[in-house]
Amino acid sequence: NAGVTQTPKFQVLKTGQSMTLQCAQDMNHEYMSWYRQDPGMGLRLIHYSVGAGITDQGEVPNGYNVSRSTTEDFPLRLLSAAPSQTSVYFCASSYDWDSNYNEQFFGPGTRLTVL
Amino acid sequence: RKEVEQDPGPFNVPEGATVAFNCTYSNSASQSFFWYRQDCRKEPKLLMSVYSSGNEDGRFTAQLNRASQYISLLIRDSKLSDSATYLCVVNRRDTGFQKLVFGTGTRLLVSP
Repeated sequence: NAGVTQTPKFQVLKTGQSMTLQCAQDMNHEYMSWYRQDPGMGLRLIHYSVGAGITDQGEVPNGYNVSRSTTEDFPLRLLSAAPSQTSVYFCASSYDWDSNYNEQFFGPGTRLTVL
Repeated sequence: RKEVEQDPGPFNVPEGATVAFNCTYSNSASQSFFWYRQDCRKEPKLLMSVYSSGNEDGRFTAQLNRASQYISLLIRDSKLSDSATYLCVVNRRDTGFQKLVFGTGTRLLVSP
């Protein structure tokens, strides 16, 4: 099992550019989510999905889109990058969305800089 | 006020010391609780879940006080490899789906 994989590991964008951060998991997990981590802010939930075809907004969804066409993949799209989106982005997955004590498995992260 | 609050530290302790971290949460509807560990420039990984009766895993002991909305983590006999940031995490449900809320983390530095 590769677990949760993310690409790219690093990315530099110019303001206004768009891009997609890729996330995939091979554990057949129902629940997938995207977080951003900023200094002094902790991890904040951007979007999440409880299964293929079902997504919802988290705490900080503005400027981001997601889709979940398969169980394995959950890409995050930045529509028009802004310097405020400079952050470390983590994708996570867990077995299901209903159990209170699911372990979240995180990908290695994508470090994004927007100039 | 943040929903999950932690002392950012750093806590500087010598090898072999006992150290304790605290965490408070504000949403009384929170249902489950965790400690995650995050090494520098790495992803968070689950250290342990926190159960109402308290639980222990080797050198690590977690306690939960629902009345005071307070969670703690005790590390005994600290090792150099325990140096990391410890994230307090609370699971709550707003619209039927679970959502995790992360504290900003407490940094631990264990020195020889």
